[in-house]
Amino acid sequence: AQSVTQPDIHITVSEGASLELRCNYSYGATPYLFWYVQSPGQGLQLLLKYFSGDTLVQGIKGFEAEFKRSQSSFNLRKPSVHWSDAAEYFCAVGARTYKYIFGTGTRLKVLA
Amino acid sequence: DVKVTQSSRYLVKRTGEKVFLECVQDMDHENMFWYRQDPGLGLRLIYFSYDVKMKEKGDIPEGYSVSREKKERFSLILESASTNQTSMYLCASTSSESGANVLTFGAGSRLTVL
Repeated sequence: AQSVTQPDIHITVSEGASLELRCNYSYGATPYLFWYVQSPGQGLQLLLKYFSGDTLVQGIKGFEAEFKRSQSSFNLRKPSVHWSDAAEYFCAVGARTYKYIFGTGTRLKVLA
Repeated sequence: DVKVTQSSRYLVKRTGEKVFLECVQDMDHENMFWYRQDPGLGLRLIYFSYDVKMKEKGDIPEGYSVSREKKERFSLILESASTNQTSMYLCASTSSESGANVLTFGAGSRLTVL
């Protein structure tokens, strides 16, 4: 069955610390992979996407993610977190269909 | 620079009322989606539409219907609202031009059914 797992429901980091949010997927074909961010009361905004090519992708706001086929993972990273990064983060997979599968989200809290 | 607009950000309705959630996109996208977002459950697809007057059920269509009379507009309808439909509803759109495409989301409509 196709699925996306974000094992961490909540993560708390101090401002300036590094961040890694985990995402594992189960998908029959080569997936297209996405990370979205949702600020409180808002819709989802695309952070970055992976379709093919270089497995390390750069996104907006200083985020990057690495696709590891052998581990079925697409973890999101940021070297130094800012207080404005506090939000909920969603990993998603899709393909040449209209079906996008979202993880359940990781809520990030940033301590000053 | 607004591209996907959900006309109602917050709604409060009574059980049994008919509810319309409207979504308009200005990107000439073929595909439009309605998702429901609940804590701990992520986003679940209710319906999507790949063309005018075309629709397909998603994962949780029960209790909902949709209407796509014009390319830019996709409406979600709750024929008889129930308390378990209290949720955040997100509209999204994407183009069919090439491969998988990025979903562009609206700001969401938070519905409370009393």
